[in-house]
Amino acid sequence: DAKTTQPTSMDCAEGRAANLPCNHSTISGNEYVYWYRQIHSQGPQYIIHGLKNNETNEMASLIITEDRKSSTLILPHATLRDTAVYYCIALYNNNDMRFGAGTRLTVKP
Amino acid sequence: DAGVTQSPTHLIKTRGQHVTLRCSPISGHKSVSWYQQVLGQGPQFIFQYYEKEERGRGNFPDRFSARQFPNYSSELNVNALLLGDSALYLCASSLLAWKPMNTEAFFGQGTRLTVV
Repeated sequence: DAKTTQPTSMDCAEGRAANLPCNHSTISGNEYVYWYRQIHSQGPQYIIHGLKNNETNEMASLIITEDRKSSTLILPHATLRDTAVYYCIALYNNNDMRFGAGTRLTVKP
Repeated sequence: DAGVTQSPTHLIKTRGQHVTLRCSPISGHKSVSWYQQVLGQGPQFIFQYYEKEERGRGNFPDRFSARQFPNYSSELNVNALLLGDSALYLCASSLLAWKPMNTEAFFGQGTRLTVV
């Protein structure tokens, strides 16, 4: 699995969009970009994934650059309940998901 | 539908003892993975099982072992417990294993193991 790099922490005002970046410059052509989040003391929760195209679901949007070396997870209207650690993972299969340290997002009132 | 269930939720063991953690995947899921999460760090991959066979193993000592049963539930066993084994142990289930990834993994709430 390709290594990913994320900022250690970010803040976001409640109601504003939260944009979480991820670098995966060594990603191979068949590796997907996955995002999970982990709210304190809970198991990680799947958010979204994509290969080449931008993706959107009820939770978030995923923007992947054309060269696929980086991506951005967008939470369009962050709420206090979105405060969590967000993990970006590049992988071909789920045989060995390497979570890294993730980005600690704090949504402030 | 029930999600991934793990038992017990909390456990306290003494150094040198043995522990067995259990996981029931989502109905229809045949792949179960185990992760260890030490406080302040991301989850670290331990094992993956698919159709009762080991499909992947992380960088953990032989004290760690696992198995998957015909009903796809799984057990993680840790022998000769060390203080450093204190962690949240997470189980994840998914439909597929080593095929090109296009399906997500669903995690349980974990078992908090404390070794004293």
